[in-house]
Amino acid sequence: GAVVSQHPSWVICKSGTSVKIECRSLDFQATTMFWYRQFPKQSLMLMATSNEGSKATYEQGVEKDKFLINHASLTLSTLTVTSAHPEDSSFYICSAVDRGQGVRDTEAFFGQGTRLTVV
Amino acid sequence: DAKTTQPNSMESNEEEPVHLPCNHSTISGTDYIHWYRQLPSQGPEYVIHGLTSNVNNRMASLAIAEDRKSSTLILHRATLRDAAVYYCILRGPTAGGTSYGKLTFGQGTILTVHP
Repeated sequence: GAVVSQHPSWVICKSGTSVKIECRSLDFQATTMFWYRQFPKQSLMLMATSNEGSKATYEQGVEKDKFLINHASLTLSTLTVTSAHPEDSSFYICSAVDRGQGVRDTEAFFGQGTRLTVV
Repeated sequence: DAKTTQPNSMESNEEEPVHLPCNHSTISGTDYIHWYRQLPSQGPEYVIHGLTSNVNNRMASLAIAEDRKSSTLILHRATLRDAAVYYCILRGPTAGGTSYGKLTFGQGTILTVHP
């Protein structure tokens, strides 16, 4: 099946620094990717929708200047957490859908997630 | 998106069948029923989906009620590797295409499998 690769799997950074997380669709083109955040013992919360070649769409309450999303190619989206603070520590997960399959009930594929710890 | 309701947790013994219920009384006629599961410290993975008819694949079966207001994910023989959070999600048609693939996760059901 289709694979979405997320890198890094985990990262520890100092407060005030920026961290970039990559999400790649390895064997299909994804014009749209999604970024989720998951706090311990909670469900996934959608942060933003990343569209290739255009600006990302952010969910209500998500700061677009803090969580920079770039979707420069059909196989790569990046999420940069700028000026990270301890409260940004979370599990970040991306997902993508193979538009090539062309039907609305197509399954979504998820990356393995990135555990961010800000100290 | 229409809402789903799942039990917070369920337990099973290894090699026994598991029936995970999901209620979706406000489902619309064009909503697909999707199931994903999330193993500890991993991203979710697709399990199965359906519209009206029951569905089977190598991982599980999906039984959909005739009125489509509920569904049941069936794991025929639970293994320790099936211990995960199971999410039942409704996906409707997406206008404009920009939210194609967008999933709204509820709290899911935590499945514990005992040896």
